[in-house]
Amino acid sequence: AQSVTQLGSHVSVSEGALVLLRCNYSSSVPPYLFWYVQYPNQGLQLLLKYTTGATLVKGINGFEAEFKKSETSFHLTKPSAHMSDAAEYFCAVSGAFADKLIFGTGTRLQVFP
Amino acid sequence: NAGVTQTPKFRVLKTGQSMTLLCAQDMNHEYMYWYRQDPGMGLRLIHYSVGEGTTAKGEVPDGYNVSRLKKQNFLLGLESAAPSQTSVYFCASYNTISPRPGQGSGNTIYFGEGSWLTVV
Repeated sequence: AQSVTQLGSHVSVSEGALVLLRCNYSSSVPPYLFWYVQYPNQGLQLLLKYTTGATLVKGINGFEAEFKKSETSFHLTKPSAHMSDAAEYFCAVSGAFADKLIFGTGTRLQVFP
Repeated sequence: NAGVTQTPKFRVLKTGQSMTLLCAQDMNHEYMYWYRQDPGMGLRLIHYSVGEGTTAKGEVPDGYNVSRLKKQNFLLGLESAAPSQTSVYFCASYNTISPRPGQGSGNTIYFGEGSWLTVV
């Protein structure tokens, strides 16, 4: 069975500051890990994913995440926040083949000027 | 454009009424899903399907039924709507590891735009 914990339901940063959104997972099999972003009244858009191979994964809009097996973490970072990054972010986990995603409860990112 | 399409986008129901949400995908994906999204709870899997003619229960299946008569369509039914089913519903489909052109990238679940359902 898989589960995801996102630490912090709300995160606020200033424009230009580092963005760090935390995600810890639990999985009985090697996990596939994902970050999705949701803008208001829209569907979910894939930011990045880790399946196998390189543990540092780069995604769209300057985001990246690092898979750390020893810490069971997959934190999302961006060096410099932009106003357009304000959205809700979801971490998700699945087993092999990514055939059933289990989501965290989400983190709402606010960016202040 | 290839993608996942949900209809209707908005609906208001009275308690006890029935309705069906339709999800259609044109990427020839085998797997399809229905999620519901509620504030503070993220997305929870209702039912899913691993192929035409098959369905399975997810995390929160009670009060819902599904059917996958055609590969491209996945229907979510509410037989007797309750206020607790007020939510935003998302359909999704999943790509095989080795996609053909037009089927998106591998190991990725694609989501529809959402269906806002209010039960009064």
